[in-house]
Amino acid sequence: GAVVSQHPSWVICKSGTSVKIECRSLDFQATTMFWYRQFPKQSLMLMATSNEGSKATYEQGVEKDKFLINHASLTLSTLTVTSAHPEDSSFYICSARGDQGAETYEQYFGPGTRLTVT
Amino acid sequence: GQNIDQPTEMTATEGAIVQINCTYQTSGFNGLFWYQQHAGEAPTFLSYNVLDGLEEKGRFSSFLSRSKGYSYLLLKELQMKDSASYLCAVLDSNYQLIWGAGTKLIIKP
Repeated sequence: GAVVSQHPSWVICKSGTSVKIECRSLDFQATTMFWYRQFPKQSLMLMATSNEGSKATYEQGVEKDKFLINHASLTLSTLTVTSAHPEDSSFYICSARGDQGAETYEQYFGPGTRLTVT
Repeated sequence: GQNIDQPTEMTATEGAIVQINCTYQTSGFNGLFWYQQHAGEAPTFLSYNVLDGLEEKGRFSSFLSRSKGYSYLLLKELQMKDSASYLCAVLDSNYQLIWGAGTKLIIKP
C-alpha cells in the first residue's frame, strides 16, 4: 500500500522559534496533500490543502502567515509553524492523495508529529 | 451546512459485536470512508463505500444507504486491540473529505 512518512515524529521547541515538519509520499506521487491538527481527545481538524506547485488553501480560522505550507514536489510537502507558542502544541498529521489505485480519493496518512512548545 | 454525526463513545465486551452508526448531510456525495485511530497515532483506512450495500472485510463490515444518508461500521468478535476511535468521513461534491468527530470505542474484558 501507499506509504507516507513524516519527520520529525516529535519535537520540543521554545516559544518564539519556528519548526518545520516534512511529509513525504514514499511510493506514489501525491498531487494533493492535507495538513491536519488534532488536540487531545478531539477529532481531526483540517488546516489546509495543498496541491503540488500551487498555493495552499487554508481553512477558515487558520493563519496562513503562521502556518506556512510548501508543496514543491509530488512527493514532499512541508509545514512550518512560525513563532510557535504553547497553544500551538498539538499532534500534526499530514495525508496524501494520489491519482492511482482503486481508492482514488483515499487519503494515506503519515504517522503524525507531536509538537510541544515550551 | 455539512454535517456528519456519530456517537461520541460506545462500550462493548470482548468477543461481542458492535455497530457504530454515522449519518451525514453533505453537499454531494462521492463515497464514505471509515478510519480507525488509536490514541496518539494517525488514522488508518478501514473501508470505503460508494454504492449502497454491505462491504465485508474480515471482522469488519461497512454498510451504506445513500437515500438515508446513513452508514454503519460493524465489528465482530471484538478484541481488546479494537479499542480506538472510529472516524466516519464523507467525500463531498468537491472531493473534499468531511470528517465526523469520531466514536471512541471502549472494549471491556
